[in-house]
Amino acid sequence: LAKTTQPISMDSYEGQEVNITCSHNNIATNDYITWYQQFPSQGPRFIIQGYKTKVTNEVASLFIPADRKSSTLSLPRVSLSDTAVYYCLVGSYGGATNKLIFGTGTLLAVQP
Amino acid sequence: NAGVTQTPKFRILKIGQSMTLQCTQDMNHNYMYWYRQDPGMGLKLIYYSVGAGITDKGEVPNGYNVSRSTTEDFPLRLELAAPSQTSVYFCASRPTGDYGYTFGSGTRLTVV
Repeated sequence: LAKTTQPISMDSYEGQEVNITCSHNNIATNDYITWYQQFPSQGPRFIIQGYKTKVTNEVASLFIPADRKSSTLSLPRVSLSDTAVYYCLVGSYGGATNKLIFGTGTLLAVQP
Repeated sequence: NAGVTQTPKFRILKIGQSMTLQCTQDMNHNYMYWYRQDPGMGLKLIYYSVGAGITDKGEVPNGYNVSRSTTEDFPLRLELAAPSQTSVYFCASRPTGDYGYTFGSGTRLTVV
């Protein structure tokens, strides 16, 4: 399974755009990139997933360069309620690899 | 839909006691997972299942057992509780070919 590297923590202010970058140099051809959000005392929540280029949903955007060795989660105009831990995961979802391995994530602290 | 339901939410065990953490999902998902999360850390995969009757070990399976007799249920068994098993336990599920896990709200276990 590809190992991921993220910043341990980030600080931001309300209304700013936040970009969290994840490095995954050993990503395999069949791997997808998935991001989860976790609030204290809750289970992680799926945010977004992509394979290449750019993916956007109502919550976030995910940018993946052509070499796919990194990805950037972009949160537009964050609010206090976006304070959480964000996990970047890489893995395929069929065959012998049916599980996701979580790293320590990035703690995003949004201040007023 | 209830999603993924975990019981109990909290439990205190004495060293050497046994217990079963229950996990039920009503989404007809084939894949189910058990993770543990220690304070300030990411999630560690304990066991997972790709369908009824099929289970496999994750990163930290020692001290735990699982069974999957139905699609809906994936109980986690602790036979001889140890202080090192003090953690928050999360159950998750996903459908075949989809990449978004649905997590339960967790079980906070303390072993004293």
